[in-house]
Amino acid sequence: DQQVKQNSPSLSVQEGRISILNCDYTNSMFDYFLWYKKYPAEGPTFLISISSIKDKNEDGRFTVFLNKSAKHLSLHIVPSQPGDSAVYFCAASFPNYMEYGNKLVFGAGTILRVKS
Amino acid sequence: DTGVSQDPRHKITKRGQNVTFRCDPISEHNRLYWYRQTLGQGPEFLTYFQNEAQLEKSRLLSDRFSAERPKGSFSTLEIQRTEQGDSAMYLCASSLVSGLASNEQFFGPGTRLTVL
Repeated sequence: DQQVKQNSPSLSVQEGRISILNCDYTNSMFDYFLWYKKYPAEGPTFLISISSIKDKNEDGRFTVFLNKSAKHLSLHIVPSQPGDSAVYFCAASFPNYMEYGNKLVFGAGTILRVKS
Repeated sequence: DTGVSQDPRHKITKRGQNVTFRCDPISEHNRLYWYRQTLGQGPEFLTYFQNEAQLEKSRLLSDRFSAERPKGSFSTLEIQRTEQGDSAMYLCASSLVSGLASNEQFFGPGTRLTVL
């Protein structure tokens, strides 16, 4: 069962505009959410995270929003740059005290293309 | 470079052969994880170590798979009697976890396994 879903396989955005990547989850026990960026032939690179007790976290051009009632999070990139073109993965983890705590459950990823 | 390193980066083997991969985590990190990623999917959790103790194993980790972290530093993942279905990217990650706080996991570049 896919507990973390990224329903958009790809997204194309013009340079300078906002990129919004979406992620839905089904398990209400997740307490920590992360976004990773992946270039071809490289491992995922950590971008930004958010705890379930917050609804927003910002780091430079990247902002993550969490809507717990909707079990939805999104990553906003403003302004988008050509170098942002990559695969973006949403991931979630359970509290450490739970079985499989701290393992990451990933979505299938969204390919972002930023056109110059 | 003090990131997570993995060796080899690529491995091509024939069905039925054994293969072993190595991961060197970030030196001060106490947790080490193995994930597997197939085309079009996000990484899937296989197992993780807290120092030298292997604490969790996914159902994905069949009896042909074994992982070790003998001195709490580097780790090896061995696959015996490889099958074509084992072809994937094998990713290693590490994190520094204390108490109940969740932490980001930092990934290596991965080992791409092709079983012919």
